[in-house]
Amino acid sequence: GAGVSQSPRYKVAKRGQDVALRCDPISGHVSLFWYQQALGQGPEFLTYFQNEAQLDKSGLPSDRFFAERPEGSVSTLKIQRTQQEDSAVYLCASSLFGTTDTQYFGPGTRLTVL
Amino acid sequence: EDQVTQSPEALRLQEGESSSLNCSYTVSGLRGLFWYRQDPGKGPEFLFTLYSAGEEKEKERLKATLTKKESFLHITAPKPEDSATYLCAAQGGSEKLVFGKGTKLTVNP
Repeated sequence: GAGVSQSPRYKVAKRGQDVALRCDPISGHVSLFWYQQALGQGPEFLTYFQNEAQLDKSGLPSDRFFAERPEGSVSTLKIQRTQQEDSAVYLCASSLFGTTDTQYFGPGTRLTVL
Repeated sequence: EDQVTQSPEALRLQEGESSSLNCSYTVSGLRGLFWYRQDPGKGPEFLFTLYSAGEEKEKERLKATLTKKESFLHITAPKPEDSATYLCAAQGGSEKLVFGKGTKLTVNP
């Protein structure tokens, strides 16, 4: 079956531009997670949804980062006024039920801010 | 604060040379210890979940074990296709996955 998909796979933005990253979770998965992975580092938690409810956004680094999942399926991570330090791979994961279930990751979106 | 430390950062093995990767964790109320494999340009691929000290799980040439402070990923007779970065993540009371920086494994033919 289809796994988690993310688009675009690569995004280049000029500093100050807004970007939107999309995640399509595995069909039927209730929970969805966003992570940020800097080069040579492990993924770091950003935010978590259960259905359409955003239950934890404690990892979002600033108020320029915003995530939504309006219908409990597809999610979008938006970054406003991008900065160079936002350059990273943004990973999306989904799990069947809650946070203790196995998380399955998408291929990521590599964001480069010039 | 929950913390996960992996060692070594990088490991080079000859094909068939067995070894172990270490994951030390400090979390309050461990709910699960996860191992993932990540190939360049791809997302992490799930390998194992361990829940309690003494638990072991195996898959092909990989075996994961768990103690109260550490987890080990044992690789027996590795092949070049086992080359990847192996990530360990712990989940504690906060329910968030906290990842280590990973161990980059290279297996030479």
